Amino acid sequence: SQELEQSPQSLIVQEGKNLTINCTSSKTLYGLYWYKQKYGEGLIFLMMLQKGGEEKSHEKITAKLDEKKQQSSLHITASQPSHAGIYLCGADTSSGNTGKLIFGQGTTLQVKP
Amino acid sequence: GAGVSQSPRYKVAKRGQDVALRCDPISGHVSLFWYQQALGQGPEFLTYFQNEAQLDKSGLPSDRFFAERPEGSVSTLKIQRTQQEDSAVYLCASSPGQTDTQYFGPGTRLTVL
Repeated sequence: SQELEQSPQSLIVQEGKNLTINCTSSKTLYGLYWYKQKYGEGLIFLMMLQKGGEEKSHEKITAKLDEKKQQSSLHITASQPSHAGIYLCGADTSSGNTGKLIFGQGTTLQVKP
Repeated sequence: GAGVSQSPRYKVAKRGQDVALRCDPISGHVSLFWYQQALGQGPEFLTYFQNEAQLDKSGLPSDRFFAERPEGSVSTLKIQRTQQEDSAVYLCASSPGQTDTQYFGPGTRLTVL
């Protein structure tokens, strides 16, 4: 079973629509990372959250970490075709904060023009 | 400056062959991580270096997998006697310190026939 569960697994939206991707853990998250991956390429860093209740934004993408630090959401406002790709959440779930990340299985986003 | 680079980008091996995958981290980054990503899944941790020291190799799937970083910069992941189940994308990431944001290379796609 996945330690980090992402939902939905895939998403197709019309350009201009908003969308949310969730990442849930059964353990406390020490450092939650959001990455984007295009097929056949490496992971592009989007944002990192550490503190419960923290929220960060970059352009039209906002990420939040809940107060209990066991769930994060990624919200895209007014989606564009350039947002298409695979979104991955990664986290350090060791209390020693080792830097070793576990990842969700990814959410594939398609944006229809 | 330059990001993380990996070579080769694609590698096809016959079952039983040995392969070597190279990672050039961002200059000055102390920490280096290797991950394995199967098709349709998130990356899974393989091993971690701090400078030249391999501090965690708990994710290496078998003793056929070996990684080194002799001078604390370039790293090589070697797989001996490759098997079909080794087919995956191998991702390298580096970070300034152990718990800092990890920046990923484009990956090496290994196909074992």
